[in-house]
Amino acid sequence: EAQVTQNPRYLITVTGKKLTVTCSQNMNHEYMSWYRQDPGLGLRQIYYSMNVEVTDKGDVPEGYKVSRKEKRNFPLILESPSPNQTSLYFCASSFWTGGTGELFFGEGSRLTVL
Amino acid sequence: TQLLEQSPQFLSIQEGENLTVYCNSSSVFSSLQWYRQEPGEGPVLLVTVVTGGEVKKLKRLTFQFGDARKDSSLHITAAQPGDTGLYLCAGTDSWGKLQFGAGTQVVVTP
Repeated sequence: EAQVTQNPRYLITVTGKKLTVTCSQNMNHEYMSWYRQDPGLGLRQIYYSMNVEVTDKGDVPEGYKVSRKEKRNFPLILESPSPNQTSLYFCASSFWTGGTGELFFGEGSRLTVL
Repeated sequence: TQLLEQSPQFLSIQEGENLTVYCNSSSVFSSLQWYRQEPGEGPVLLVTVVTGGEVKKLKRLTFQFGDARKDSSLHITAAQPGDTGLYLCAGTDSWGKLQFGAGTQVVVTP
């Protein structure tokens, strides 16, 4: 089954404790992206990757890191989480067709930073 | 600042009624997508429109892309409880970047 898998789905952590949210897709998509979703603000892009070893900042990259060492994986790293990073996070992937094609989303990871 | 403005933010209707959701921008988009998101899940693509003036129908859902490719609408005929969800529009600009609107929460009660 074609899917994007995120882990963990739910996480409560404390300020400053490094965490990683993993994302894996099995559709051989070149393009992968991380979004955060907050009430009234919609989906805002954190980082994206056009292919292996190619990553770039989205609209709200502060406080986050990513890496793309393999085509299927695109982990999101919070080196020192703060309460303003409490949010619902989505990983998404697609074929790159000169513009973003259909985005396939994971089920989301709800993060609470105390 | 949202590049794409969706209205209304929230819509509650009875089963069988019709509804329209709007997505507006001052920018031109090369294409526009509509996604639906249900609680606890990620958004799922409903449709992509690419030509100004284009109309696409998906069962009871009708999508329209404005002639100037700056706006779009989603019309649902005879809404059903299964149509409940957060409807998101997303536009691709000339650089290939996708921008999302904040969404319209639709609740259809039996």
